[in-house]
Amino acid sequence: DVKVTQSSRYLVKRTGEKVFLECVQDMDHENMFWYRQDPGLGLRLIYFSYDVKMKEKGDIPEGYSVSREKKERFSLILESASTNQTSMYLCASSLLFGDRGPQPQHFGDGTRLSIL
Amino acid sequence: AQKVTQAQTEISVVEKEDVTLDCVYETRDTTYYLFWYKQPPSGELVFLIRRNSFDEQNEISGRYSWNFQKSTSSFNFTITASQVVDSAVYFCALSESLYFTGNQFYFGTGTSLTVIP
Repeated sequence: DVKVTQSSRYLVKRTGEKVFLECVQDMDHENMFWYRQDPGLGLRLIYFSYDVKMKEKGDIPEGYSVSREKKERFSLILESASTNQTSMYLCASSLLFGDRGPQPQHFGDGTRLSIL
Repeated sequence: AQKVTQAQTEISVVEKEDVTLDCVYETRDTTYYLFWYKQPPSGELVFLIRRNSFDEQNEISGRYSWNFQKSTSSFNFTITASQVVDSAVYFCALSESLYFTGNQFYFGTGTSLTVIP
């Protein structure tokens, strides 16, 4: 089974702090994704990566950056945390788009981040 | 514009009732893929099904069935004889044909299903 592991289940930080959310997958997937989930808004894509050191902006990249130095690890960085970044953050991974089309994304358990 | 619409925000049913979760999508591509995910209270989204735009045959997996209709741009999900363990948030997602890597999904806002014992 695919395992996507997020470093923290719950995290509390203060406004202005630099926050790192870590995600590791063990299935050698090329694609990795970061979403945030808010009530009534569903899942919104922040950034994704299809290869080491490659990154693409999603729908809501403002205030975030990412890092992918190794294939199995994808980090989300909040440069200067603000209260409106309080949310559930979900990491996902998938195989590369292939002949059979986009592959299912496999998700971690999520990190519930509170910014005070 | 929202690419995937799940108009039902919350649904409650009594155990053993059948329930249908609606999903309407919007795309200009002729090749696209649709997905359903389940998010139980524990939080992890669990993949349920993938369907491509060329296959309109309905699919059944145990108590779960999916009805794909291109004419109405809908991909509805039915749970037959619901159980308490079916209580979760269900998400529908769309992935359009891409000519580069990335595999971006567009998720609906989810339907929260509560099955009452």
